[in-house]
Parts: sequence; structure tokens; C-alpha cells
Amino acid sequence: GDSVTQMEGPVTLSEEAFLTINCTYTATGYPSLFWYVQYPGEGLQLLLKATKADDKGSNKGFEATYRKETTSFHLEKGSVQVSDSAVYFCALISASGGSYIPTFGRGTSLIVHP
Amino acid sequence: NAGVTQTPKFQVLKTGQSMTLQCAQDMNHNSMYWYRQDPGMGLRLIYYSASEGTTDKGEVPNGYNVSRLNKREFSLRLESAAPSQTSVYFCASTPFTARGTFGLDYGYTFGSGTRLTVV
Repeated sequence: GDSVTQMEGPVTLSEEAFLTINCTYTATGYPSLFWYVQYPGEGLQLLLKATKADDKGSNKGFEATYRKETTSFHLEKGSVQVSDSAVYFCALISASGGSYIPTFGRGTSLIVHP
Repeated sequence: NAGVTQTPKFQVLKTGQSMTLQCAQDMNHNSMYWYRQDPGMGLRLIYYSASEGTTDKGEVPNGYNVSRLNKREFSLRLESAAPSQTSVYFCASTPFTARGTFGLDYGYTFGSGTRLTVV
């Protein structure tokens, strides 16, 4: 079945540092890929997405590129802020079999210190 | 505001008690989902409803039942709560349909969660 693997956290950075959170996947067919963010006490919010190979999703300074050859969708940000502290989830959705069941990674906690 | 609304936000139950978690969306979405979130386990799918009138089991359905009351509402019921059901529960929706690829790139809209403690 489909699966998503994320690097384990927490990831602890100082403000203005560069961020990378790794995400790799296995899936049948051609999945769409997503990053969600969960701030403390809240639900998940869609951060960015990419629907085909070599697409780059971007939002709020975050970027991720759909790499089919390495089955990866790593999240990056050039300069993190304290307000970026949250849990980040990588996810995929595949239409194989006509069933749209999303597959989520286990989440990576990001802590940014001033 | 458009979105997914969950009630209640917090609940404490005694072992053996029953309760229903409510979820409603006003985006005319076709599919709705119930997840539970536990530390270190990520999100696990309990049940989902691909369209009004249909429901299917997810990864961890035992101890739960669901009802898709209409297109807007999807409730989750715990008939006899157990401490193992202590968790944060999230409802989500999407415009996906069972056929075709409409909405495949849309993603999901989540509610803000229900924090349930069973003692």
C-alpha cells in the first residue's frame, strides 16, 4: 500500500536558520503530494501541494519539489521564524482504485528559538 | 466562516459511557473523514464517507460507529468508551468524488479537533 516516511523530530533551529524536513513516499500510480502544518491546539492546515513530477509547491516562504525519480517531497524554508514552530505533516493522495484515502506521515515537530 | 466545525472541543468521559462527536461542513464537499491523533502515531483514519449515504472503515474502526446524516454532517459515536480511546479527534472534508479525478489536487480541510479523555 501507499506510505509516507518523514524524518523524526523534533527539529530545533535558531531564528533565520535554513530548514529542511525530509519526506519520501511509496505509492501506486501518480499521487498528489501535500504538506500540512498544525499549530498548537489547532487542526491541520494545507501549506502547499504539488500534483505532478517536477512541480514546485510554495507558500509562506516554504517550498517543496515533487521528485518522482527519488520519490521525495522535501520541505524547505530559507529563513525560519519563531512563528513557524509547529508540527509538519507530509501526505499523499492517490486515485488508484477510485478511493481517495490520504496517507499521512507521522509528523515532524519544528521548534524555532529566538 | 466557511469550513469544518467540530463539537465539542473538549470532553471527559467515564469508562463505559457513550457519546457522539459532531462534524459539519458548509463547503458542499462530497467526502468526509474522521481521524484520531495520538503522540508518535500521526493521524489514523477511523472511518470515512465518500459520499452521502455511504460509509467505510478506515485503519482503526473498532469501538466506533459513524453516521453520514446528510451531505453536511458526519458524526462519530463511541458506544462504550475505553481509556484507549483517549485521543484528539479530527474531522476533515474534501470535494473528492468516488469516480474520476476531480478534486485530486484540492487537499483536505480539517476541523479544529475534539480532545477526548476517557477515565
